[in-house]
Amino acid sequence: EVQLVESGGGLVQPGGSLRLSCAASGFTFSSYEMNWVRQAPGKGLEWVSYISSSGSTIYYADSVKGRFTISRDNAKNSLYLQMNSLRAEDTAVYYCARVRQVGATTFFDYWGQGTLVTVSS
Amino acid sequence: SSELTQDPAVSVALGQTVRITCQGDSLRSYYASWYQQKPGQAPVLVIYGKNNRPSGIPDRFSGSSSGNTASLTITGAQAEDEADYYCNSRDSSGNHPWVFGGGTKLTVL
Repeated sequence: EVQLVESGGGLVQPGGSLRLSCAASGFTFSSYEMNWVRQAPGKGLEWVSYISSSGSTIYYADSVKGRFTISRDNAKNSLYLQMNSLRAEDTAVYYCARVRQVGATTFFDYWGQGTLVTVSS
Repeated sequence: SSELTQDPAVSVALGQTVRITCQGDSLRSYYASWYQQKPGQAPVLVIYGKNNRPSGIPDRFSGSSSGNTASLTITGAQAEDEADYYCNSRDSSGNHPWVFGGGTKLTVL
């Protein structure tokens, strides 16, 4: 059974840092591209960051570029999001999501349960 | 980056058919995928590609696409289908890999 379990969320002051983790199991983690997606309270889904299966290709949303760093450790079946210079508007539930490709179509087939990040003084 | 536009809210009578739409330039190049999210839960994939359902998704859910518009249709809506629905596709602008629609809240009356 595919499982994605996020951890590392919590309350942090503006300007602070936090590192999120996503532990993967039930599939060959090193074969899959991964993403972080967030959802602010009462708002919609926002794509945050992407990393290729090898970690060689990375993208960020403009809203987090220069502040967040995505990484992965395929030996540990884990995905990470290092978040620095946090702002109130980064307050959200952060989900890790697996990318699946079928032909020319790509989509997010499995999601974790999410971890809440609250940025407040 | 490219945008995907959804109606904020849609309602349907129990047992009737409802269509939720998603518009955006990216949809001229890429298929949309659709996600159902119930309060306090993670999103769940319900439709991907031209019209494919993951295992466990009822066949009352279907997808279609024409031009810059993708649609999710629920034929015979059930009370448990009340949820937020989000579309998603690759971003044809090339700036970012993916883009989400703003979401549609479906109410089953």
